[in-house]
Amino acid sequence: GQQVMQIPQYQHVQEGEDFTTYCNSSTTLSNIQWYKQRPGGHPVFLIQLVKSGEVKKQKRLTFQFGEAKKNSSLHITATQTTDVGTYFCAGPYSGTYKYIFGTGTRLKVLA
Amino acid sequence: DAGVIQSPRHEVTEMGQEVTLRCKPISGHDYLFWYRQTMMRGLELLIYFNNNVPIDDSGMPEDRFSAKMPNASFSTLKIQPSEPRDSAVYFCASSLDTGADTEAFFGQGTRLTVV
Repeated sequence: GQQVMQIPQYQHVQEGEDFTTYCNSSTTLSNIQWYKQRPGGHPVFLIQLVKSGEVKKQKRLTFQFGEAKKNSSLHITATQTTDVGTYFCAGPYSGTYKYIFGTGTRLKVLA
Repeated sequence: DAGVIQSPRHEVTEMGQEVTLRCKPISGHDYLFWYRQTMMRGLELLIYFNNNVPIDDSGMPEDRFSAKMPNASFSTLKIQPSEPRDSAVYFCASSLDTGADTEAFFGQGTRLTVV
């Protein structure tokens, strides 16, 4: 079945350092979504990418969808303590609304 | 809108008991999803509905699990009988097919502990 893997599983950074998480799907995706889950909270939608090679920015966050539409990345510039949480990518299974979530990357920011 | 509302927020039950989790999606949303989150298995999609009809329940782990959506504003996830390995956070989410973004709005979750 479809699998969505993320690396790294954990990342500890000093405040002000950059952070990147990578998402890889075993199948081509029609789109990819990113979510953030704060500790003890629920996943919150960040963005959706649809086009091959698409790049979108939200303030310090940069999202990229791979040319082959099988991978994606999230880059955070100059991390802040408010960036702490787990970042998930999610992709739809074979044209359905069955979104498969990635394994997640847990980010810890040290002040 | 108050967002997706789940109840209860926490549930502690004894093994063998029936557990019912409840969800009220955002008004007007036509998709409803039930997810389970554990440290070992991450976020797993259990079942999803479109316009109150179950579309894919392949993620439901066993026959002990069942879900219903009797109307557009209410869904339940039932576990009978419950087992300790069912302990997890269960999330309900809803979304609207706009043809563009299909973001899912998650509820606060129900933390289930089966002892």
